[in-house]
Amino acid sequence: DQQVKQNSPSLSVQEGRISILNCDYTNSMFDYFLWYKKYPAEGPTFLISISSIKDKNEDGRFTVFLNKSAKHLSLHIVPSQPGDSAVYFCAAAGISGGYNKLIFGAGTRLAVHP
Amino acid sequence: EPEVTQTPSHQVTQMGQEVILRCVPISNHLYFYWYRQILGQKVEFLVSFYNNEISEKSEIFDDQFSVERPDGSNFTLKIRSTKLEDSAMYFCASNDGGGANEQFFGPGTRLTVL
Repeated sequence: DQQVKQNSPSLSVQEGRISILNCDYTNSMFDYFLWYKKYPAEGPTFLISISSIKDKNEDGRFTVFLNKSAKHLSLHIVPSQPGDSAVYFCAAAGISGGYNKLIFGAGTRLAVHP
Repeated sequence: EPEVTQTPSHQVTQMGQEVILRCVPISNHLYFYWYRQILGQKVEFLVSFYNNEISEKSEIFDDQFSVERPDGSNFTLKIRSTKLEDSAMYFCASNDGGGANEQFFGPGTRLTVL
């Protein structure tokens, strides 16, 4: 089941630069997308989300872009900080209600180095 | 800040034994979930629970699995007869179902089946 794909298993970025994490999906019924951050031995921590009626959502250093026609979303982190080093998961949920299961991508490990 | 808690953090059991994983969701949340992550794999949805019944379950969630909300605060996942392939991190999550899909995850229980 490859409904949500994160094709880059890892990304290395210098501190202060932009980190861009990408995610593709195949199911047109998804209408809500989320990014989670995960440190080792911890649960996923919610970062930012976007509804399919929008193409951009911003929260501080984090911006998520959604391109529905391409079924693609990306997370931009500017500026990147060493504390951002973690695994980032893209997740998608279907239409209607707040009780939908989340379908996760495989994750991208981000390393921000000084 | 309210958070989802899970106990135990690590459970070791023998194949064929029953285990119960415990979760305390955020107190005003109405929707509860279990996910699992086998080492090196994606976070996978197991089951969602609302109003004292299962809303949805995945094909992983077979007759060996059950969930219960025994009181006003706990949410449990029981595996009746564990198999080696049940070894994974199990995450509990909750949300208030208010139209958005952000789910808040606990730190996880690492289940090791020997």
